[in-house]
Amino acid sequence: GQQVMQIPQYQHVQEGEDFTTYCNSSTTLSNIQWYKQRPGGHPVFLIQLVKSGEVKKQKRLTFQFGEAKKNSSLHITATQTTDVGTYFCAGRFYNQGGKLIFGQGTELSVKP
Amino acid sequence: EPEVTQTPSHQVTQMGQEVILRCVPISNHLYFYWYRQILGQKVEFLVSFYNNEISEKSEIFDDQFSVERPDGSNFTLKIRSTKLEDSAMYFCASSEGVGLYEQYFGPGTRLTVT
Repeated sequence: GQQVMQIPQYQHVQEGEDFTTYCNSSTTLSNIQWYKQRPGGHPVFLIQLVKSGEVKKQKRLTFQFGEAKKNSSLHITATQTTDVGTYFCAGRFYNQGGKLIFGQGTELSVKP
Repeated sequence: EPEVTQTPSHQVTQMGQEVILRCVPISNHLYFYWYRQILGQKVEFLVSFYNNEISEKSEIFDDQFSVERPDGSNFTLKIRSTKLEDSAMYFCASSEGVGLYEQYFGPGTRLTVT
């Protein structure tokens, strides 16, 4: 079946360092969404990318969608302790309706 | 801000028992979903529901699972005969439309099968 791969699985950073997580699909995506899940919490929507090569920014977070719409990344500049959590990408494939295929997630821990 | 609610927050059941997980989607949303997340793993799609019908379902969603919208507000997931491997967090989600619409997730129900 269609899968979305995400790396790394874990990332431990010192507060103030940057963080990046990557997602990849072998099949072209219709769009990709990013979610953040705090420990013990539920996925919270961050952003959606639709267009080839799209780049969106939310304060210290930068989201990119690849030209071929097969990969995406989330970059956090100067991490803070409030950034702690697991970041998931979730892709939608063409003709697959609304279902989201989640990546494995990247668990970010930030050491103050 | 409107939110998806789920009850109960934690359900403990014995293997072979039936469980019903309940969700109240956001009121003007038309598309409803169930996902599950086994502890420490990724979120997995189970089923989507629109216009009182299942739109899509995954391989996980076998004959032991069913969904229903019994009234205008609730959306339920029933597991007929629970197995140990059904232990997971079950998330309900809803969206206004399909395709480019954001899905709002509920807080989840932690199901523990003993």
